[in-house]
Amino acid sequence: DSGVTQTPKHLITATGQRVTLRCSPRSGDLSVYWYQQSLDQGLQFLIQYYNGEERAKGNILERFSAQQFPDLHSELNLSSLELGDSALYFCASSVGGHPGTEAFFGQGTRLTVV
Amino acid sequence: AQTVTQSQPEMSVQEAETVTLSCTYDTSESDYYLFWYKQPPSRQMILVIRQEAYKQQNATENRFSVNFQKAAKSFSLKISDSQLGDAAMYFCAYRSAFQGGSEKLVFGKGTKLTVNP
Repeated sequence: DSGVTQTPKHLITATGQRVTLRCSPRSGDLSVYWYQQSLDQGLQFLIQYYNGEERAKGNILERFSAQQFPDLHSELNLSSLELGDSALYFCASSVGGHPGTEAFFGQGTRLTVV
Repeated sequence: AQTVTQSQPEMSVQEAETVTLSCTYDTSESDYYLFWYKQPPSRQMILVIRQEAYKQQNATENRFSVNFQKAAKSFSLKISDSQLGDAAMYFCAYRSAFQGGSEKLVFGKGTKLTVNP
């Protein structure tokens, strides 16, 4: 158990819908990262938050947004869903503030868009 | 932008034997971190080993060791005495050491390792 909790584990929804994925980082970790894993694109970095502030953005679509709350949990919002958004979405956390800190991954949310 | 390449989509090894997974990367930075992550069927991403680029000594963690060739931008993973539990997808990853910037990981496409009894 990495200490990072993601909910839900599985999600099935229809095209055009909106979903929210939730992540609780390890106790004491200030950084949260979101990654998307798909068969064709592999593991892609989406966005990073550090202590409530956006730190870096990767290949995140405009239809997607995220935030980190004062209690440091994070949510990834996916809207106007398309079939191609079906993927495994990982949240990871680290102490942050230094690139040498280890990132711990949650078990992921499997999103299926039908 | 940094890229990570894993040229072996699949590898197989006999139990108790040794296997080496390849990884090359491209970067213009001189300081960075390299990682190997394991993803078993449970899909949990687990850190196997990491290497700081400024360290010449190759990292070792029990049966796992790396061969880090900075000039060649190569970072291979050697698994000794392979066990059935080593069967998984293995991902090589890069992280810049630039402080104050993104701490994102850049991943390769992965190598699927099968361990035969």
